[in-house]
Amino acid sequence: GAGVSQSPRYKVTKRGQDVALRCDPISGHVSLYWYRQALGQGPEFLTYFNYEAQQDKSGLPNDRFSAERPEGSISTLTIQRTEQRDSAMYRCASSLASDEQFFGPGTRLTVL
Amino acid sequence: GENVEQHPSTLSVQEGDSAVIKCTYSDSASNYFPWYKQELGKRPQLIIDIRSNVGEKKDQRIAVTLNKTAKHFSLHITETQPEDSAVYFCAAVLDNYGQNFVFGPGTRLSVLP
Repeated sequence: GAGVSQSPRYKVTKRGQDVALRCDPISGHVSLYWYRQALGQGPEFLTYFNYEAQQDKSGLPNDRFSAERPEGSISTLTIQRTEQRDSAMYRCASSLASDEQFFGPGTRLTVL
Repeated sequence: GENVEQHPSTLSVQEGDSAVIKCTYSDSASNYFPWYKQELGKRPQLIIDIRSNVGEKKDQRIAVTLNKTAKHFSLHITETQPEDSAVYFCAAVLDNYGQNFVFGPGTRLSVLP
């Protein structure tokens, strides 16, 4: 595609529900990253993939958060049993090899 | 792990003046330093980057300098324009092949007409 896309753009859910956030990277990009960005703050690293392999998940806050990229393209970030503190903008980014990351528009998650 | 600090948190300049934003990093092994610009409600976009084997890089009105010894790097914007108003984020990356990017907290730049 022309750029990184994410869906949904907005998600409102009730506390305790599970949510799945989708990222569709730029075609051919090897690396895919997930970030969480609080209002007025820089992106906070969550996890990243090279192809389908999850290389680093050290930024995932706890075991309610998981991510996958089974075919090395589209990725899903799943948050189980959501809590209000999970409310944030979740962004993904992709890169061809090693440097410039292209960010997606983000999914704004609100947990009521 | 890597820690990136960024100053100032807010910066206001008159149109036409220069703006300088500074970042420091903690891990001397970091070797790639990108700068991102994020306009209100939009995604971060790369504006310039520098690698550890280079001390300075310039692209029109934007330049970045890197001091590896002191572990700091700076963004310089000359002849600022109102459209430069945005939040700017620096980042430090260790072994930039697929490693996680650690971003600074951001600087909100306002260019006053």
